[in-house]
Amino acid sequence: GENVEQHPSTLSVQEGDSAVIKCTYSDSASNYFPWYKQELGKRPQLIIDIRSNVGEKKDQRIAVTLNKTAKHFSLHITETQPEDSAVYFCAASGNTNAGKSTFGDGTTLTVKP
Amino acid sequence: GAGVSQSPRYKVAKRGQDVALRCDPISGHVSLFWYQQALGQGPEFLTYFQNEAQLDKSGLPSDRFFAERPEGSVSTLKIQRTQQEDSAVYLCASGRGNEQFFGPGTRLTVL
Repeated sequence: GENVEQHPSTLSVQEGDSAVIKCTYSDSASNYFPWYKQELGKRPQLIIDIRSNVGEKKDQRIAVTLNKTAKHFSLHITETQPEDSAVYFCAASGNTNAGKSTFGDGTTLTVKP
Repeated sequence: GAGVSQSPRYKVAKRGQDVALRCDPISGHVSLFWYQQALGQGPEFLTYFQNEAQLDKSGLPSDRFFAERPEGSVSTLKIQRTQQEDSAVYLCASGRGNEQFFGPGTRLTVL
């Protein structure tokens, strides 16, 4: 089955700096890669996603890149703000497994004011 | 519109008790997923429904876990004879296509 690894497990940045979180996956059949933000005690919320037919997607301060050959994808947050502090999860899924998502173990991002 | 809701939000059970966790998906969403999230970890897949059909239950950790969605809408995850290792947050997600929208979860504590 799919295996997703996520790094780093914790990340601390100064307000205004950029943050990058990286994930690798193992199943070449995976074709959908969402990123979720989860604040303490809250539900995971989808913040951006990318499908395998594109290499990059951007939405304001967040962007995701995908390298299908290397089987890795990354989340980029620019101009970080304290409210970006949360746990971020990457996930991978594909049509062959009916949308079942395999998640990474999460990255705890702390943005210091 | 209303998002995914789950009840109860918190459940404390004594070891050996049976529990039932409810998920109300977003209206019209065909897909429904259950995940288990241990502290400090990502959600782990338990089972998946498409309408009322349970298409994948490969993630259920034992035969003590049972899920149903009889009318293709509300779903219930039942855990029989709870054990301490069942303590976790149980997340439900509904969706269409690949996108999944999560509920707030039920935090289960087994004493």
